[in-house]
Amino acid sequence: ETGVTQTPRHLVMGMTNKKSLKCEQHLGHNAMYWYKQSAKKPLELMFVYSLEERVENNSVPSRFSPECPNSSHLFLHLHTLQPEDSALYLCASSQAPEGAGYEQYFGPGTRLTVT
Amino acid sequence: GENVEQHPSTLSVQEGDSAVIKCTYSDSASNYFPWYKQELGKGPQLIIDIRSNVGEKKDQRIAVTLNKTAKHFSLHITETQPEDSAVYFCAAINDYKLSFGAGTTVTVRA
Repeated sequence: ETGVTQTPRHLVMGMTNKKSLKCEQHLGHNAMYWYKQSAKKPLELMFVYSLEERVENNSVPSRFSPECPNSSHLFLHLHTLQPEDSALYLCASSQAPEGAGYEQYFGPGTRLTVT
Repeated sequence: GENVEQHPSTLSVQEGDSAVIKCTYSDSASNYFPWYKQELGKGPQLIIDIRSNVGEKKDQRIAVTLNKTAKHFSLHITETQPEDSAVYFCAAINDYKLSFGAGTTVTVRA
């Protein structure tokens, strides 16, 4: 595996289900990100982990819960979602920034549909 | 926070012609400006970037220009080819926060 991988690629879940999205990066990076991409809207930053510590929670509802067990893996736990949460969820990784801003590399995304 | 505006939202060009996409940003502290290309069913792919201490950068058929005074930057694609058809996003970063434009759908007509 190379780059950033995400599983599953597609997910359909009911509003009462609990599911998890998984992201793995094979680039030796130490910062990871979750983004939400909805149709005709800019990508929205959800969470940032740098050196396995959460450094950003961008006013995301508590029904989304991130987990970063190590620098290579990132999870997004989902429960009691709403139909408006249907979107493409993208994971990205980079070197932990030190004020200069570093290139972020994205995975292919998980297409989530909430019914 | 940072606000990035991107124009146009759609762009159709004849194969071989040039394409230009323009972005403006609001936060003068932003210091890194990447451009991403997203094809159907894939995540965004970094294609070129520019840092605030540089005015222009070129990589084969792709170039990016930055005007820090005016707070705008542009992507130029020359000699467009059908494989250039995709959605292009500009972004501005302040520390680790990437703020994206809404995207430009580029269609290259054969």
